Amino acid sequence: NAGVTQTPKFQVLKTGQSMTLQCAQDMNHEYMSWYRQDPGMGLRLIHYSVGAGITDQGEVPNGYNVSRSTTEDFPLRLLSAAPSQTSVYFCASTPVGSNQPQHFGDGTRLSIL
Amino acid sequence: GDSVTQMEGPVTLSEEAFLTINCTYTATGYPSLFWYVQYPGEGLQLLLKATKADDKGSNKGFEATYRKETTSFHLEKGSVQVSDSAVYFCALRKEGGSYIPTFGRGTSLIVHP
Repeated sequence: NAGVTQTPKFQVLKTGQSMTLQCAQDMNHEYMSWYRQDPGMGLRLIHYSVGAGITDQGEVPNGYNVSRSTTEDFPLRLLSAAPSQTSVYFCASTPVGSNQPQHFGDGTRLSIL
Repeated sequence: GDSVTQMEGPVTLSEEAFLTINCTYTATGYPSLFWYVQYPGEGLQLLLKATKADDKGSNKGFEATYRKETTSFHLEKGSVQVSDSAVYFCALRKEGGSYIPTFGRGTSLIVHP
């Protein structure tokens, strides 16, 4: 059971480049989210989705785009990378029900030069 | 809005010491409460949860009791090991409205031999 799979695990970009962080889950969870984790800042929600075709902004959406064409996949796009986007990015999926926990991927460590 | 407050770290202990990490929350209704653990270089994973008042969640020697009267969910372990060194996150999730969990900022635990 793979759970939540994120690729790549590490990436270095130059300022202005674009890229897509991939996230896939095989648990048929309805809800998926993207977070960034920075030292001393905890987890900050970027975008989330409550089902295929439905996405919404979180706390820090600027500079990022998402789409949800299937239940399984929820890619995160950096439109024009900036050094401030250097961070560790986590994707998570959650089934319906408030007593259900989130399932996290192992993260993508992204550096913008 | 909802919020989760955790004690600031790092918490530094010697092996076999007693651990308490405080967590208090503010929320309307009846949230479910969670503790997640993040080991170095990994994503968050569920440690334990409690879904109603007075429930006790437990796993791997860790315990936390859902105290509605004090809106708290403190994490405890009787004897920590070096392998418990990690970052611990307290979180809540509610029925209705946004399904998005609310996370605390995380508490780093360092256990010395």
